[in-house]
Amino acid sequence: AQSVTQLDSHVSVSEGTPVLLRCNYSSSYSPSLFWYVQHPNKGLQLLLKYTSAATLVKGINGFEAEFKKSETSFHLTKPSAHMSDAAEYFCVVSPSFGSARQLTFGSGTQLTVLP
Amino acid sequence: NAGVTQTPKFQVLKTGQSMTLQCAQDMNHNSMYWYRQDPGMGLRLIYYSASEGTTDKGEVPNGYNVSRLNKREFSLRLESAAPSQTSVYFCASSEILRGHFNYGYTFGSGTRLTVV
Repeated sequence: AQSVTQLDSHVSVSEGTPVLLRCNYSSSYSPSLFWYVQHPNKGLQLLLKYTSAATLVKGINGFEAEFKKSETSFHLTKPSAHMSDAAEYFCVVSPSFGSARQLTFGSGTQLTVLP
Repeated sequence: NAGVTQTPKFQVLKTGQSMTLQCAQDMNHNSMYWYRQDPGMGLRLIYYSASEGTTDKGEVPNGYNVSRLNKREFSLRLESAAPSQTSVYFCASSEILRGHFNYGYTFGSGTRLTVV
């Protein structure tokens, strides 16, 4: 079994300040973890993925996430927010092996960037 | 551009009407999926097709049927629409090699369906 908890449904930051979006997961096997971003009225775009290689994963647009097995966390960070980062972000967990129907999405975090 | 194409983008149905949502991908992916997105609930899997010729139920299949027409196309049908099916529907595709699901999904831009 697996689950994902995104700890904040809304996060608001000022432009130029750091972004932290928190994600905890539960999995009974070695997981793959993903972050997706969804801009208004758009589909979901893959930001980054962890697949049992380096625990610090770098993605597009300056985002990165660190896999911490001991804390079962996969928080998404960015050093300096940009207005274009305003969107909804989804943390996703799946087993590294097996059926793709086991992909589980978090409920999403809405990021607002203030000028 | 390569990707996943969904049609239509918007649709309004009356309760009891039927319709088919179309999805096509041009990345030669084996696996295709239909999700629905509702506020505060993330994405939930309706049906998926691991490969051409196979389909399986996901988390919320009731009220839907699917057809994997060929490797490129995967359609979702609502036989008798209900207000509870008002949602945003996303089609996605992925490649799973030798059991490794390491490559993520490519999503379409969605179909916004309202059932009145």
